[in-house]
Amino acid sequence: ILNVEQSPQSLHVQEGDSTNFTCSFPSSNFYALHWYRWETAKSPEALFVMTLNGDEKKKGRISATLNTKEGYSYLYIKGSQPEDSATYLCAFNTNAGKSTFGDGTTLTVKP
Amino acid sequence: DSGVTQTPKHLITATGQRVTLRCSPRSGDLSVYWYQQSLDQGLQFLIQYYNGEERAKGNILERFSAQQFPDLHSELNLSSLELGDSALYFCASSPMTGEFEKLFFGSGTQLSVL
Repeated sequence: ILNVEQSPQSLHVQEGDSTNFTCSFPSSNFYALHWYRWETAKSPEALFVMTLNGDEKKKGRISATLNTKEGYSYLYIKGSQPEDSATYLCAFNTNAGKSTFGDGTTLTVKP
Repeated sequence: DSGVTQTPKHLITATGQRVTLRCSPRSGDLSVYWYQQSLDQGLQFLIQYYNGEERAKGNILERFSAQQFPDLHSELNLSSLELGDSALYFCASSPMTGEFEKLFFGSGTQLSVL
C-alpha cells in the first residue's frame, strides 16, 4: 500500500495571505505527481502534472515544486482569494499505472 | 464542464441489489478511470481501462467489475451491494495512458445503498 500524505489537513487564511501545503509520497518507483483542485459540489480539476525532480509548475497565482529524491511536493498560493477555497489533492503515480490520492488539504480563504 | 459524462447522477437501491454506472469519456480520450469516494475516505482508485483493455487495478472489490466498450464508454457494475458501498463514484478520462496527463473528471454518481 502506497502512502501519500498531505499536510495540513485544513488551513484557514485571510484574503491576500500567501500559503503553502505539502504532499509526501514514496521516493521509489516515482512516475508522476498530479495536483488537483476540488471545489465543494464539483468534480476534481487538474492543476499540474509533475514528472521530473526539480520540476516547477505555475498557473497564475498557484505554483508547485517537486523533490522526487526526498519524496515531497509543495503547492503555493500567492495572495489567496476567497475563490481559492477548495480541497487540494495530490496523486502519486507509479509506472504500474496505479494512482494513489492523498486525503487533501482543505483551504478556506476568509474575505 | 470537463466533457466527461456520468449517468445516473444519483442512485438509490437496496442491499443485495446490482447496479450499473455509466461513463462517457471526453471525445478522443482512450483511457477511463473509476474512483470511489466514501465518507471519511479520500479518493480510492478502482480500475483503469485503456482502449478497451484493463490497464491498472486498484482496490476494487471482487463484487465490482468494469468494462470499456468499443465506443470507449465504460460501465462499472456493482453487485451484492452492501451498506458500505454507499459512496460517490467518479469516472475520469485522459487522452492516452494517463501517467503524464491531466485527468478530466465527471461529476460523479452518488450511490446510496439502503
